[in-house]
Amino acid sequence: AQSVTQLGSHVSVSEGALVLLRCNYSSSVPPYLFWYVQYPNQGLQLLLKYTSAATLVKGINGFEAEFKKSETSFHLTKPSAHMSDAAEYFCAVSESGAGNMLTFGGGTRLMVKP
Amino acid sequence: ETGVTQSPTHLIKTRGQQVTLRCSSQSGHNTVSWYQQALGQGPQFIFQYYREEENGRGNFPPRFSGLQFPNYSSELNVNALELDDSALYLCASSLPGTTNEKLFFGSGTQLSVL
Repeated sequence: AQSVTQLGSHVSVSEGALVLLRCNYSSSVPPYLFWYVQYPNQGLQLLLKYTSAATLVKGINGFEAEFKKSETSFHLTKPSAHMSDAAEYFCAVSESGAGNMLTFGGGTRLMVKP
Repeated sequence: ETGVTQSPTHLIKTRGQQVTLRCSSQSGHNTVSWYQQALGQGPQFIFQYYREEENGRGNFPPRFSGLQFPNYSSELNVNALELDDSALYLCASSLPGTTNEKLFFGSGTQLSVL
């Protein structure tokens, strides 16, 4: 069975600081991994996905994530936070395909201080 | 803008009633998934339809049912509503097998059960 754990339900950083959002997964097969962002009163937008190609995945808005099999992790980073990055971020895993049956973590709310 | 539209945006129902939520998929997408997102939590997979047939289901009771139509639009039906059914219901469409396969989410229907 697949599962996702996001460490830290709330993360606060200063504008311009490094953003690090943590995600650990459990999967019985090589997984597909995703990061989504959700702004208030909106649906989910895909930031990036890992599908067994390069372990360092670059996404939109300057975000990237590194797949580490030995640590079963897929942490999301961004070198310099912007005020517009304030949102809820969800890590997700799928064992059956990039468009199928995602299991989401509980989410991390990112706050950016001026 | 993902091209996935959901209606209505907000809905208030009473415990025991039935509700139907609707989703129009992105043009050409033949797969639709439904997710339930309770307040402060990550989305949970309800079920998925591919070419009008259910081909995956999460841990939800039978009173949650769905339909997918020939034009790939979809409905989520919930019978005998319970207070815990209050949540944001998200629809997502995809086209499996494509090189850039991913889920496109709508903005959701906020259901309140009183």
